[in-house]
Amino acid sequence: EAGVTQFPSHSVIEKGQTVTLRCDPISGHDNLYWYRRVMGKEIKFLLHFVKESKQDESGMPNNRFLAERTGGTYSTLKVQPAELEDSGVYFCASSPRLALWETQYFGPGTRLLVL
Amino acid sequence: RKEVEQDPGPFNVPEGATVAFNCTYSNSASQSFFWYRQDCRKEPKLLMSVYSSGNEDGRFTAQLNRASQYISLLIRDSKLSDSATYLCVAQGGGGSNYKLTFGKGTLLTVNP
Repeated sequence: EAGVTQFPSHSVIEKGQTVTLRCDPISGHDNLYWYRRVMGKEIKFLLHFVKESKQDESGMPNNRFLAERTGGTYSTLKVQPAELEDSGVYFCASSPRLALWETQYFGPGTRLLVL
Repeated sequence: RKEVEQDPGPFNVPEGATVAFNCTYSNSASQSFFWYRQDCRKEPKLLMSVYSSGNEDGRFTAQLNRASQYISLLIRDSKLSDSATYLCVAQGGGGSNYKLTFGKGTLLTVNP
């Protein structure tokens, strides 16, 4: 079974540009999470979808970030306009059920560098 | 104060050594706890869940003390392949029941 996939693996953009990250969860997983690791810091939660609905977006840093999951399958995270502090590794994770102790399976991440 | 704090490390140990990782969490409402492992430039992967009764998986033993909000991981007879960053993770608490809250991680290098 395929794991969580993310595209692109790397992105280098200039400040002010737009970047869209994509995540394909494990097939059948209703729960999809976005996390981010800024250099030197811990991995931090951004938001959580249950199917196509945003369950929790308390970690979204500001309105330059827009996440969507139309149709409840893959998700996109758009950053517009990108700022230098947005550089980091963006991880997507998925889990089958909405329950505590449920394993979240992580994708390989997208490494974003904003110059 | 960080929500999840870990030993800063790094730890450098010889093969066969026993290594202990310590972690504390500040949100007393956190409900689930995990150790994740992250290899260099890879994604985090679940190593084991941490239950109040303590749990063991081969060479790995995890303990949770809710009263002191403390989590530990013990690796016995360490192998070269154990070299990685170990992430202490809490889940739940407050209004965000399912998000994972990560510590910064502790880098372990096992030397031949």
